[in-house]
Amino acid sequence: KQEVTQIPAALSVPEGENLVLNCSFTDSAIYNLQWFRQDPGKGLTSLLLIQSSQREQTSGRLNASLDKSSGRSTLYIAASQPGDSATYLCAVRRSNSGYALNFGKGTSLLVTP
Amino acid sequence: KAGVTQTPRYLIKTRGQQVTLSCSPISGHRSVSWYQQTPGQGLQFLFEYFSETQRNKGNFPGRFSGRQFSNSRSEMNVSTLELGDSALYLCASSLMPGQGEQYFGPGTRLTVT
Repeated sequence: KQEVTQIPAALSVPEGENLVLNCSFTDSAIYNLQWFRQDPGKGLTSLLLIQSSQREQTSGRLNASLDKSSGRSTLYIAASQPGDSATYLCAVRRSNSGYALNFGKGTSLLVTP
Repeated sequence: KAGVTQTPRYLIKTRGQQVTLSCSPISGHRSVSWYQQTPGQGLQFLFEYFSETQRNKGNFPGRFSGRQFSNSRSEMNVSTLELGDSALYLCASSLMPGQGEQYFGPGTRLTVT
């Protein structure tokens, strides 16, 4: 069974800091990995999708990396802003017959002005 | 292009009742997945539909069921509601099963009293 862990569970940083969110998974046989953002009481917004053959993806101030062999992904947020405050979720899609996303519990990020 | 829509957004039901939730995927998306989100368990996969067929099912009791229509719209039904069914139910769509990004709707907040 695929286990996805996100560390830290919560993070508070001052505006302008660069930060890294971590995601680890137990089964390296993944199809892809997706990072999401969730605002309180809302649905999920897709941030970045990394296919298993890729090492990283970038979108604006966000950069996500994937190391399948070590079962790790990181989401790097540059020059954080108060609007980045949200819960960030990592989800892994397995390579076998099931295409469900396995989610971590998320990292709750607070960026203070 | 309109995003994933879910109706209703909020629902209050009594234990023992049944409920039906609806999801309309992004135009052109043929795969629809359902997830349950609770504070304790996080996001858990319920089932996935493609071409009106359930392709994958999570570890939930038979009280949880779903279907997909020819226009790719999907419904999920929960019978004999229990207090523990209170959750945010999220629907996600993608072009094809297991391919590309999954896009989530805003969710239906179900409260069982």
